[in-house]
Amino acid sequence: GAVVSQHPSWVICKSGTSVKIECRSLDFQATTMFWYRQFPKQSLMLMATSNEGSKATYEQGVEKDKFLINHASLTLSTLTVTSAHPEDSSFYICSARGNRDQGPQETQYFGPGTRLLVL
Amino acid sequence: GQNIDQPTEMTATEGAIVQINCTYQTSGFNGLFWYQQHAGEAPTFLSYNVLDGLEEKGRFSSFLSRSKGYSYLLLKELQMKDSASYLCAVMDSNYQLIWGAGTKLIIKP
Repeated sequence: GAVVSQHPSWVICKSGTSVKIECRSLDFQATTMFWYRQFPKQSLMLMATSNEGSKATYEQGVEKDKFLINHASLTLSTLTVTSAHPEDSSFYICSARGNRDQGPQETQYFGPGTRLLVL
Repeated sequence: GQNIDQPTEMTATEGAIVQINCTYQTSGFNGLFWYQQHAGEAPTFLSYNVLDGLEEKGRFSSFLSRSKGYSYLLLKELQMKDSASYLCAVMDSNYQLIWGAGTKLIIKP
């Protein structure tokens, strides 16, 4: 079964609004969570890495004031897209890594993704 | 710089065997992952290799040669549902995953 959940799976919003996406690890404590963005027919692009209780590390070119990441607990991270614009429309995917009984510790387990459409 | 190379697209026949290659150049090495991603879905974990050799898991096997910076994913008894993109990713010395662009595998009846 799923080990990482993501909510919502679909978001349609007006330009200028903010959107919050939640990522939860279901059966393990995620010491590190990752946020990716993927445009159609393109590779995964890492946006940021967050460790529980500390500030996220953003990849070059990703605006930290626009994409707010909070990793408040070992099972929950949130990504808030502030003042969303049509060019932010994409597939946002989180992944989690931690001490899971099954599989190598270094494995990232992905959530099902969130499709964001900004009108 | 860091680089992961894998073919863009491959085509194979249902019931056959296909090998997807991945070569890498990274700053350090802490393991190589293969993920499967169906269109419109998130990636799912397939395998992890950190030592040289072949790891077999059902119809899927993954091979690693660290000295050659090379890995392959072998899929046997191909099924239509195996049509997907297969992503090779290497964990570097900072435990960051470096992703390949993925290989789109098309299975024909």
